[in-house]
Amino acid sequence: NAGVTQTPKFQVLKTGQSMTLQCAQDMNHEYMSWYRQDPGMGLRLIHYSVGAGITDQGEVPNGYNVSRSTTEDFPLRLLSAAPSQTSVYFCASLRGPGSPLHFGNGTRLTVT
Amino acid sequence: GQQVMQIPQYQHVQEGEDFTTYCNSSTTLSNIQWYKQRPGGHPVFLIQLVKSGEVKKQKRLTFQFGEAKKNSSLHITATQTTDVGTYFCAGINTNAGKSTFGDGTTLTVKP
Repeated sequence: NAGVTQTPKFQVLKTGQSMTLQCAQDMNHEYMSWYRQDPGMGLRLIHYSVGAGITDQGEVPNGYNVSRSTTEDFPLRLLSAAPSQTSVYFCASLRGPGSPLHFGNGTRLTVT
Repeated sequence: GQQVMQIPQYQHVQEGEDFTTYCNSSTTLSNIQWYKQRPGGHPVFLIQLVKSGEVKKQKRLTFQFGEAKKNSSLHITATQTTDVGTYFCAGINTNAGKSTFGDGTTLTVKP
């Protein structure tokens, strides 16, 4: 099993550009979530999903969109990149509420 | 909303010294999880505590969950260079279906 796979590993965008961060899991987990990690600020929840077709906002959702058309995939879309979105993004999946999170390797995004 | 505070933010120790990080929640938790993130890596699950007053050990690591289920600690005995990294606690509220992470404690170990 590959676990949680994120692509790309690194990305540089210019202000105003859009892009999609990909996340796929092969553990048949119902729950998936996106976090951003900034220095000294821990992991902040952007969006999460409790199953295919169901998504909800986390702590810092502005500027990001998500969709969950399949159990396996949970892409994160940046609509119009801003320098404040420079961060490391982690996708995670979990079997259900209260279960351990399985993280992907992360995407390091720089917006200039 | 639920807040999880973690202290200290940084800890520098000599190899062989002990290390403790503390986690405090503003609300009562269903359970708490601990993760370790190596430099440049991703968070990896270490352990979950569920019961009030629970204590669990993993070799040199001891995890405690407070009686009120609002605080927790991770203690490492006789640190080694392999212990370096950032340790995060995550407070779980299963009713809300969310995990709230503390800001982490970054441990450096001087050989």
